[in-house]
Amino acid sequence: EVQLLESGGGLVQPGGALRLSCAASGFTFSSFGMSWVRQAPGKGLEWVSSMSGSGDSTYYADSVKGRFSISRDNSKNTLYFQMNSLRAEDTAVYYCAKDQGWLIVDWGQGTLVTVSS
Amino acid sequence: EIVLTQSPGTLSLSPGERATLSCRASQSVSSNYLAWYQQKPGQTPRLLIFGASSRATGIPDRFSGSGSGTDFTLTISRLEPEDFAVYYCQQYGSSPRTFGQGTKVEIK
Repeated sequence: EVQLLESGGGLVQPGGALRLSCAASGFTFSSFGMSWVRQAPGKGLEWVSSMSGSGDSTYYADSVKGRFSISRDNSKNTLYFQMNSLRAEDTAVYYCAKDQGWLIVDWGQGTLVTVSS
Repeated sequence: EIVLTQSPGTLSLSPGERATLSCRASQSVSSNYLAWYQQKPGQTPRLLIFGASSRATGIPDRFSGSGSGTDFTLTISRLEPEDFAVYYCQQYGSSPRTFGQGTKVEIK
């Protein structure tokens, strides 16, 4: 069974930084691309970033490009998301997701990031 | 960027009724790479349909997807109590992957 467990969310001031982690199990982690998708309170879903299984390729939404960075450690089956220069509009639940090609097939439970002074 | 517009915003129906949800793309979706997800309150999204019409593993056959190009439909043939939720379409044929704004199916 695929399990994706996010951690690292919390309250941070505008301009601050936060690092999310996603511990994966139940599949061969290095064989699958992974993504981060966020959902602002009461709003819809927004894809924000993806990384290939090998880690060679990364992709970002324009809204986070230059501020956020995705990475992975395949030896630890863990995906990371470094978020810098945070803004109020980054407040959301951040979901870690497993890709199959470009299709999101599995989702974690999410971790809440709140950017507020 | 492909913009997906879902309609209606809210669908009020009774259990046993048929639900028809629409997703329209601003340009053709490559290879009909269109997915539907269900999200219940406080829960994580769940993949229902991929490739416009293929059901994901374990999804009941009352859920069906159809369409191609720019117009796609999710149909729930007979609503069960557990089907009342928000449904999102997503295109994954081109970057950036984009979601529709969602359709809420509520109990009438």
